[in-house]
Amino acid sequence: EVQLVESGGGLVQPGGSLRLSCAASGFTFSSYWMHWVRQAPGKGLVWVSRINSDGSSTSYADSVKGRFTISRDNAKNTLYLQMNSLRAEDTAVYYCARDFSSGLVDYWGQGTLVTVSS
Amino acid sequence: DIQMTQSPSSLSASVGDRVTITCQASQDISNYLNWYQQKPGKAPKLLIYDASNLETGVPSRFSGSGSGTDFTFTISSLQPEDIATYYCQQYDNLPALTFGGGTKVEIK
Repeated sequence: EVQLVESGGGLVQPGGSLRLSCAASGFTFSSYWMHWVRQAPGKGLVWVSRINSDGSSTSYADSVKGRFTISRDNAKNTLYLQMNSLRAEDTAVYYCARDFSSGLVDYWGQGTLVTVSS
Repeated sequence: DIQMTQSPSSLSASVGDRVTITCQASQDISNYLNWYQQKPGKAPKLLIYDASNLETGVPSRFSGSGSGTDFTFTISSLQPEDIATYYCQQYDNLPALTFGGGTKVEIK
């Protein structure tokens, strides 16, 4: 059974940093691209970042470029999102998601809530 | 960037009704479109991929159609467990994934 379990969310002050993790199991993690998608309270889904299967290629939404870094450790079956210079507008539930094939996202984690507030 | 315009933003229908949601892309995306269901407090769940293919295990009352810029998602007979928000998502313009604004479906 495919499982994606996010962790690392919490309350952080504006300008602060946080690192999210996503532990994957039930599939060959190193074979799949992965994404982070976020959802602000009461709002829709917004793509944040993507990483290819071996970690050599990454992409970011303009809203997080230069502040967030996506990475992965295929030996640990874990995806990361390092978030720096956090702003109030980054407050959201962050989901990790598996890319089955070139943008076809088939499995999502349950999400972790990040709240940026003083 | 490709924009996805989803309508309506919400709807109320009776159990057994046919429900239709539309999604329009700002440019041709071929059939690179998925539909997701999200229940309150839960992660999105893939229902339809490549515009019209039913994901394994998804009830056959759900269906999708369309290509190019105009797409339709249909629930043939609304059930109480279908109460959720539904999102379309394009994946023609990688690496970015673009979602529609969502349609909240409620029971009348």
